[in-house]
Amino acid sequence: GAVVSQHPSRVICKSGTSVKIECRSLDFQATTMFWYRQFPKQSLMLMATSNEGSKATYEQGVEKDKFLINHASLTLSTLTVTSAHPEDSSFYICSAIPESSYNEQFFGPGTRLTVL
Amino acid sequence: AQKVTQAQTEISVVEKEDVTLDCVYETRDTTYYLFWYKQPPSGELVFLIRRNSFDEQNEISGRYSWNFQKSTSSFNFTITASQVVDSAVYFCALRNTGFQKLVFGTGTRLLVSP
Repeated sequence: GAVVSQHPSRVICKSGTSVKIECRSLDFQATTMFWYRQFPKQSLMLMATSNEGSKATYEQGVEKDKFLINHASLTLSTLTVTSAHPEDSSFYICSAIPESSYNEQFFGPGTRLTVL
Repeated sequence: AQKVTQAQTEISVVEKEDVTLDCVYETRDTTYYLFWYKQPPSGELVFLIRRNSFDEQNEISGRYSWNFQKSTSSFNFTITASQVVDSAVYFCALRNTGFQKLVFGTGTRLLVSP
């Protein structure tokens, strides 16, 4: 199947700093990528839909100025957590929809963010 | 509105037991997709199955089987002869064909002990 990577897999940062997480589709082009957040022992909650070349669509309650999403190419979307605080500590997962296969969705391995 | 309910928070079984994970969904759309994912401790989501709303045929894949019943809006997942490696959190999810985003249930944590 198609491969989606995320970098870094784990990151620890100090409160107040910004952290960038990359999501890459390695062997396909993706016009749409999604960013999910998962708190410990909870479900995945969609944060935003990222479309190549346009602004991301954020879900209700997600601060777009805090979670900056850039989808500059068909294989890369980035999520930047700005001025991170301990409550932003979570598992962030991206997924990608292949340009050629609308019904498929492939998930990245996730990034565990810990804010001290 | 779309909603997925997994009423079982945690299930514990002993190896070789059969176990069924329940999933009930709500949607106003007539066309939709249902999914099951496995999330082992590593965190990576593993795709198990996708089912189209027009296809109510049950599916079996090795020790895994799925029972889709539109009349009760359920899409249950059974593991036969469970193994320790089946221990994970299992998520049921729903997606309408017009939109690509997935709505996940709250997950069921399955613990299989030797």
